[in-house]
Amino acid sequence: IAGITQAPTSQILAAGRRMTLRCTQDMRHNAMYWYRQDLGLGLRLIHYSNTAGTTGKGEVPDGYSVSRANTDDFPLTLASAVPSQTSVYFCASSDVDRGNEQFFGPGTRLTVL
Amino acid sequence: AQKVTQAQTEISVVEKEDVTLDCVYETRDTTYYLFWYKQPPSGELVFLIRRNSFDEQNEISGRYSWNFQKSTSSFNFTITASQVVDSAVYFCALSDITGANNLFFGTGTRLTVIP
Repeated sequence: IAGITQAPTSQILAAGRRMTLRCTQDMRHNAMYWYRQDLGLGLRLIHYSNTAGTTGKGEVPDGYSVSRANTDDFPLTLASAVPSQTSVYFCASSDVDRGNEQFFGPGTRLTVL
Repeated sequence: AQKVTQAQTEISVVEKEDVTLDCVYETRDTTYYLFWYKQPPSGELVFLIRRNSFDEQNEISGRYSWNFQKSTSSFNFTITASQVVDSAVYFCALSDITGANNLFFGTGTRLTVIP
C-alpha cells in the first residue's frame, strides 16, 4: 500500500441499505477526513478525526457515521442510504503538525437508487 | 466562518496562452493556510501548493505561479504557456491551523486548454 486507498471504487446501492466505505492510509498521519464532492458544490467535509479514538462532525454529517479505532483506518458508514447521498466520496489524511497538507485517496463513486 | 470563493466557474484558453485562476477567501483567523489542488479528468486530487498566512512572498514553480495578497484576501494561480495537460478542475482551499484543521474548498474552476 502506498498513500491512501479507498474501497470500493464504485458502488450502486438501493435506498435504505447500509453501506461502509473503507479508507486506509499508510503514512502514519494523525488526521483523517471524509469529503463528498457534488457538481457545483466542490468538496464538503463530512467527518474528520484528528487522532485515533476521536472524531468530529464536518459541514454535512447527517446520515453518516465514522470510527477511528486505529491510526490507519477511517471507515465511513451510511446507516440507511438515501438518493441524496449519491456522490463521489474522498478520504484524505494529513499530518497536522507539518502544515496540514491533505493527501487524498482516489475516491469512491456511490450511486443510491 | 471560513469561506472560499472561486468566481470563475469555467475558463477556456488556447494552448500557450497564460491564464489566471482567481481565489478570494474569508476568515477571522490570523493564522491559516491556503492551498491549491488540481483534479484532472481521471478524478484524483493532486496537491499543488500550500501557503502560510505569514508568508506573502509569491511563488513560482515551473509554469505555475501564485500571488498571495493578504490585503485583498486573494490567492490567485497563474499558468503560463498553458498546455492541454493543464485541463482540469482547480480548487482553492483554506485551512485554519487550530482546532479541526479542516479544509474549506471553493467550488472549483474548470480549465479547458484548447489545442
